[in-house]
Amino acid sequence: ETGVTQTPRHLVMGMTNKKSLKCEQHLGHNAMYWYKQSAKKPLELMFVYNFKEQTENNSVPSRFSPECPNSSHLFLHLHTLQPEDSALYLCASSQDLGQGFPGYTFGSGTRLTVV
Amino acid sequence: GNSVTQMEGPVTLSEEAFLTINCTYTATGYPSLFWYVQYPGEGLQLLLKATKADDKGSNKGFEATYRKETTSFHLEKGSVQVSDSAVYFCALRRGSNDYKLSFGAGTTVTVRA
Repeated sequence: ETGVTQTPRHLVMGMTNKKSLKCEQHLGHNAMYWYKQSAKKPLELMFVYNFKEQTENNSVPSRFSPECPNSSHLFLHLHTLQPEDSALYLCASSQDLGQGFPGYTFGSGTRLTVV
Repeated sequence: GNSVTQMEGPVTLSEEAFLTINCTYTATGYPSLFWYVQYPGEGLQLLLKATKADDKGSNKGFEATYRKETTSFHLEKGSVQVSDSAVYFCALRRGSNDYKLSFGAGTTVTVRA
């Protein structure tokens, strides 16, 4: 257990469904991230939050909607997804952005399949 | 822009064999370099890092040396075990004030008993 917990571990959803991914960290970190991991491709940074404020949206389609109610919790709301959105979605946290950044702590990911 | 290129897998080895995974990078300035490992069914874990030229990162028997002259950060282990079977990612961070990591595509390593 890394200290970053993601639920659910696996999710199968239809293209018309609405679902949410959850990420929780108890490390006292201030920054949280969503990454998409597709087969044979580099990890893609999707969203960045620092002290609950979104600091980056990496041109992610609006069918992905992040929410960060506090520094410990991060959600990714999903609706009307496409089959090509099937991937492993990884949450990560770090103490701070920028200076003093020691590296990310990753969760185990949610394996999403869109049918 | 900043990018990382690592050797394509999959790599299959026998136990106690020598492992090398090549990683080269393109970046301006003085990036920090990382290796992450992803065991089956898990997220990524930081394996080792180096923050300046000629630094050597090491952990769990793995080593990588930051070579600015060849823009490389190759991962090595002298004697692999079955438990080293995983996907290995090379990554760079552009500068000390930059939080973004640029990842390679990952190299799948399978070690047979």
